[in-house]
Amino acid sequence: DIQMTQSPSSLSASVGDRVTITCRASQTISSYLSWYQQRPGKAPKLLIYAASTLQSGVPSRFSGTGSGTDFTLTISGLQPEDYATYSCQQSYTSPWTFGQGTKVEIK
Amino acid sequence: EVQLVESGGGLVKPGGSLRVSCAASGFSFSGSSMNWVRQAPGKGLEWVSSISYTGSYIDYADSVKGRFTISRDNAKNSLYLEMNSLRAEDTAVYYCATDRHSSSSHYFDHWGQGTLVTVSS
Repeated sequence: DIQMTQSPSSLSASVGDRVTITCRASQTISSYLSWYQQRPGKAPKLLIYAASTLQSGVPSRFSGTGSGTDFTLTISGLQPEDYATYSCQQSYTSPWTFGQGTKVEIK
Repeated sequence: EVQLVESGGGLVKPGGSLRVSCAASGFSFSGSSMNWVRQAPGKGLEWVSSISYTGSYIDYADSVKGRFTISRDNAKNSLYLEMNSLRAEDTAVYYCATDRHSSSSHYFDHWGQGTLVTVSS
């Protein structure tokens, strides 16, 4: 199975900050990488797919980069509604696996 | 508007069985592959099972293979997960999610609100 490792596991940031979350795959996954946002008690929401394609309706402050094994999610100008847990997922080969999540908290 | 509504969760004893359902609307359910994904309390997301739009292709995580069965009824716009021989470690919120797949991308674009399954004596 492909292991997905996110860093950091949690971070504290202020409104307006630039936030970067990293996801590393245990083997190459090309660009088959998605990012999800999950607010407490809510379902995951797709933010980015194919490593860098913004899902329709997602604010442009979210961006994704990377290919192969190393990927990043960047939030440029953190907003109050962005405080949530962010998870990456590989969809290159089954079983589809997720990272452990990164919790973004208010500083 | 895409809507996925899970139901059927509850408390079940270890070794017991339960069937959870997902009612879909607002999109072409019969043209969409579907997934079940679960999340144990305080833990990350774990993919459980996938089914193709016709039901001809099915896949399971090793952790549930042989115990869980995914199925669908396209006439009823519904997805199901039959869970047998349940264990404490199956306790989780179970989400259904739509699957989008092309030659260059694959992702889960819409999710239901989830249904909680608790396995405890």
